[in-house]
Amino acid sequence: DVKVTQSSRYLVKRTGEKVFLECVQDMDHENMFWYRQDPGLGLRLIYFSYDVKMKEKGDIPEGYSVSREKKERFSLILESASTNQTSMYLCASRPSGGAGETQYFGPGTRLLVL
Amino acid sequence: GDSVTQMEGPVTLSEEAFLTINCTYTATGYPSLFWYVQYPGEGLQLLLKATKADDKGSNKGFEATYRKETTSFHLEKGSVQVSDSAVYFCASRQGAQKLVFGQGTRLTINP
Repeated sequence: DVKVTQSSRYLVKRTGEKVFLECVQDMDHENMFWYRQDPGLGLRLIYFSYDVKMKEKGDIPEGYSVSREKKERFSLILESASTNQTSMYLCASRPSGGAGETQYFGPGTRLLVL
Repeated sequence: GDSVTQMEGPVTLSEEAFLTINCTYTATGYPSLFWYVQYPGEGLQLLLKATKADDKGSNKGFEATYRKETTSFHLEKGSVQVSDSAVYFCASRQGAQKLVFGQGTRLTINP
């Protein structure tokens, strides 16, 4: 079974802190993604990566950065956390291939910024 | 750009009722279509998918048929259970592009 793990299920941080969210996948997938999920807004793509050291902006990259130093690990960084970044963060991975390839999600990290 | 529109929730049904959650898409080509489910406190997991017109995806009693004529991929289940209570997301993808999600439909099944 494909496994996508996220470093924390729940996180509480203060405004202005630097926050690291880690994601690891064990299936050698080329593509990895970070989303945030908010009520009424569904899932919104923050950043994605299709290879080591490669990254692409998604729909809402402002206030975030990412790092992919190894194929299995994709980190999301909040440089200076703000209260409007309180959300559920979901990581996903997917192999390269056709449009029918399944995307696998981690369990999510619920972040509260005070 | 491509988009996915889902039936707005929340949807509340009694156990053993028939379920339909509507999903329509807009795309310039022929995307693959997916239904994901999110149980309380968890991430999303793939429920079913279809990669070409007239394909039917099915899993756990749920079904959805890829209808090119109506650009739809409605989710159905003949008899729902309390354990089906979750949020359901319809999504599409063309080629190597990103997944495009609908807004999600929260389903609650009462015993």
